[in-house]
Amino acid sequence: GENVEQHPSTLSVQEGDSAVIKCTYSDSASNYFPWYKQELGKGPQLIIDIRSNVGEKKDQRIAVTLNKTAKHFSLHITETQPEDSAVYFCAGNTGTASKLTFGTGTRLQVTL
Amino acid sequence: EAQVTQNPRYLITVTGKKLTVTCSQNMNHEYMSWYRQDPGLGLRQIYYSMNVEVTDKGDVPEGYKVSRKEKRNFPLILESPSPNQTSLYFCASSKNRDSGSPLHFGNGTRLTVT
Repeated sequence: GENVEQHPSTLSVQEGDSAVIKCTYSDSASNYFPWYKQELGKGPQLIIDIRSNVGEKKDQRIAVTLNKTAKHFSLHITETQPEDSAVYFCAGNTGTASKLTFGTGTRLQVTL
Repeated sequence: EAQVTQNPRYLITVTGKKLTVTCSQNMNHEYMSWYRQDPGLGLRQIYYSMNVEVTDKGDVPEGYKVSRKEKRNFPLILESPSPNQTSLYFCASSKNRDSGSPLHFGNGTRLTVT
């Protein structure tokens, strides 16, 4: 089955700097890679996703890149703000598409 | 408002005392799933349901039961809770389980078993 590894586990950046979170996956048949943001006391919420037929996707200050050959994908947040502080999870689907396997999460702290 | 509602938000119980965590969604979603979140382990799937009366095991199903008698409800049952089931639990739903159908999560149930 799919195995998704996520790094780093914690990340502290200053407001205005960029943050990058990286994930690797094992199942070469995986074709869908979402990113979720979990704020304190809440459930994870989808913020961006990418399919295997594209290499990059942007939505305002966030972007995701995918390298299928190396089987890794990354979340990029530019011009970070205090409200970006949260736990971020990457995920990958299995070949059957019926299941998402999540990474272990990255706690991002944006300091003033 | 479209949402996934879990109850209760917090639950403290003792070993062996049966409990149920309820989950309800108002989006007419076919797919529902339960996850547990533990430090350093991320979100692990317990059980999932592709539709009414169709359930299947996830990665960590031991000690849990589920049922899907109605489309909107997907309760999680712990027949005899043990301390290793102390965790943060999330219910989630999606329109279907095709790639690209986003998961909508509830706000979680923090369970402590003493």
